[in-house]
Amino acid sequence: GAGVSQTPSNKVTEKGKYVELRCDPISGHTALYWYRQSLGQGPEFLIYFQGTGAADDSGLPNDRFFAVRPEGSVSTLKIQRTERGDSAVYLCASSPPRRGWLPEETQYFGPGTRLLVL
Amino acid sequence: QKEVEQNSGPLSVPEGAIASLNCTYSDRGSQSFFWYRQYSGKSPELIMSIYSNGDKEDGRFTAQLNKASQYVSLLIRDSQPSDSATYLCAVNRLNQAGTALIFGKGTTLSVSS
Repeated sequence: GAGVSQTPSNKVTEKGKYVELRCDPISGHTALYWYRQSLGQGPEFLIYFQGTGAADDSGLPNDRFFAVRPEGSVSTLKIQRTERGDSAVYLCASSPPRRGWLPEETQYFGPGTRLLVL
Repeated sequence: QKEVEQNSGPLSVPEGAIASLNCTYSDRGSQSFFWYRQYSGKSPELIMSIYSNGDKEDGRFTAQLNKASQYVSLLIRDSQPSDSATYLCAVNRLNQAGTALIFGKGTTLSVSS
């Protein structure tokens, strides 16, 4: 079966521009996560969706960042007025509905979108 | 104190040796612990998950968890050059299942043939 897909794979933009990054999770996965990974660092949590709603958006760095998942499947991460510091790999992950005997389900990562803000 | 700490390495071991990767975490309420492998330019891939104190073995990999010491480790036996990658330790935040994973910076492992 298909894994998590992300588009575009690479995005180059200019400071101040608006960008949208798309994530298509594994079919049937109800939870969707966005992370950001800078060079030499581990992934940093941004936002988590359970279905259509953002269950936890505490990782979004500021109000320039926003994410939606209107139909509970595909999600879009939106960054307004991009800054050079936003340059990173943006990773999306999804996980299946939780089974009762496990405290946590595995998160499966997509290939990421490499964002470069010039 | 960072939430999840790992030595960044690099950790260099010869082929066939045991590689030992360590991780400490700060949140005593964490219930779920994961080791991900990340090859250069690729996305993280789950290697092991562990939820209870003690050891969990899967092939050449053994995860060890000590909640009292807030310590997680990963042992790789019979290390192969293909094991050369960055290993990320991840812990779930607080005690809420199904929420964010907090990652360490990762330890770079190099296995020489």
